[in-house]
Amino acid sequence: EIVLTQSPGTLSLSPGDRATLSCRASQTVSRTYVAWYQQKPGQAPRLLIYSASNRATGIPDRFSGSGFATDFTLTISRLEPEDFAVYYCQQYGVTFGQGTKVEIK
Amino acid sequence: EVRLLESGGGLVQPGGSLRLSCAASGFTFTSYAMSWVRQAPGKGPEWVSTISGYGDSTYHADAVKGRFTVSRDSSTNTLFLQMNSLGVEDTAVYYCARALSYGWYFGFDSWGQGTLVTVSS
Repeated sequence: EIVLTQSPGTLSLSPGDRATLSCRASQTVSRTYVAWYQQKPGQAPRLLIYSASNRATGIPDRFSGSGFATDFTLTISRLEPEDFAVYYCQQYGVTFGQGTKVEIK
Repeated sequence: EVRLLESGGGLVQPGGSLRLSCAASGFTFTSYAMSWVRQAPGKGPEWVSTISGYGDSTYHADAVKGRFTVSRDSSTNTLFLQMNSLGVEDTAVYYCARALSYGWYFGFDSWGQGTLVTVSS
């Protein structure tokens, strides 16, 4: 069973800052099947990125994904107020990471 | 517009059963695999089950295998989750989610608002 470990657990940043979120897999995964989601309190997760680097429909270009093998990254180039939320990575439609909370500093 | 509307959640005693429904609209239902994902209070999402577009293939997480059954009705565009032998560990918000058109391994691009299942005596 593949385990996804996200770091850091919490990221304290200010609007306008760059956010870099990490997702590490316990073994090599196909980047084709790596996705990232955003979740705000009381809401369902929202797909941001699929296949490691493809933005989902309607997702602003300040969100980008990269990585391969065991190391994947979600980058938010300049944080907007609405970007403060919890972010999850997922592999193969099955395993989720434990999440990274991006909070206002 | 894609819409997914779950129903059927509620309070149930340990060992009991519950059937969740998810009414889908705004897309060709049989063209997409559909999944259930749950989220326990304060925890991350957990994949539960997936069913192929025509319902001929189903997949379940080990934690629910043998207790939960996913199904779908293309005549009413409805997804179901039959949950038996419920335990306190099954307490969560249950979301139905549509898989990306490329396949469910790629992720889920539309989600319902969720329905809360509470297992408690």
